[in-house]
Amino acid sequence: QQQVKQSPQSLIVQKGGIPIINCAYENTAFDYFPWYQQFPGKGPALLIAIRPDVSEKKEGRFTISFNKSAKQFSLHIMDSQPGDSATYFCAARSGGGSEKLVFGKGTKLTVNP
Amino acid sequence: NAGVTQTPKFRILKIGQSMTLQCAQDMNHNYMYWYRQDPGMGLKLIYYSVGAGITDKGEVPNGYNVSRSTTEDFPLRLELAAPSQTSVYFCASSYSAGSPTNYGYTFGSGTRLTVV
Repeated sequence: QQQVKQSPQSLIVQKGGIPIINCAYENTAFDYFPWYQQFPGKGPALLIAIRPDVSEKKEGRFTISFNKSAKQFSLHIMDSQPGDSATYFCAARSGGGSEKLVFGKGTKLTVNP
Repeated sequence: NAGVTQTPKFRILKIGQSMTLQCAQDMNHNYMYWYRQDPGMGLKLIYYSVGAGITDKGEVPNGYNVSRSTTEDFPLRLELAAPSQTSVYFCASSYSAGSPTNYGYTFGSGTRLTVV
């Protein structure tokens, strides 16, 4: 099943809060899981990524938690700031040499001051 | 270093008209992709290419055509525009399999197309 399910669709937090965005997948052949951040009027930009043999990856205030047995992964944003307000997409690579990514439907995050 | 350049940024087409969305990358990436983004629907793959002269269909190819004559360019052609093709189109490029974990896609800034 070439699908990645993302939730929630939208999220509002106060500055300093820790928004969590969740994604789930069915295809165990997926071999790479990136997150993209998109600001209005711009293309998505790679934020952070993880491989399935790692349970957690942290880069600055952004952390991916990966649960291989549950086929779920999530993005946590520590000490969120108004500048983090954007749409976030999780994705999964289908491998097999094509490098194709399957994207979730996106989460619109608003961080209030 | 420009990355991925898409032109035009905006376009209004009438039903039945044709147009080509241009995409060029200067990173020597061999993989290139076209996605469309509709509100609340994420990004859907239209076509992709693993190298010059090689293209393949993605999830939503109907109504579109592509070509890849050079490593740098990957134009997307709409032959008979329909209202259902109103969307934001993103071109992206990447290195091939085996690249470091954070290689990712590099996206262009998009083309907003309206078909009326």
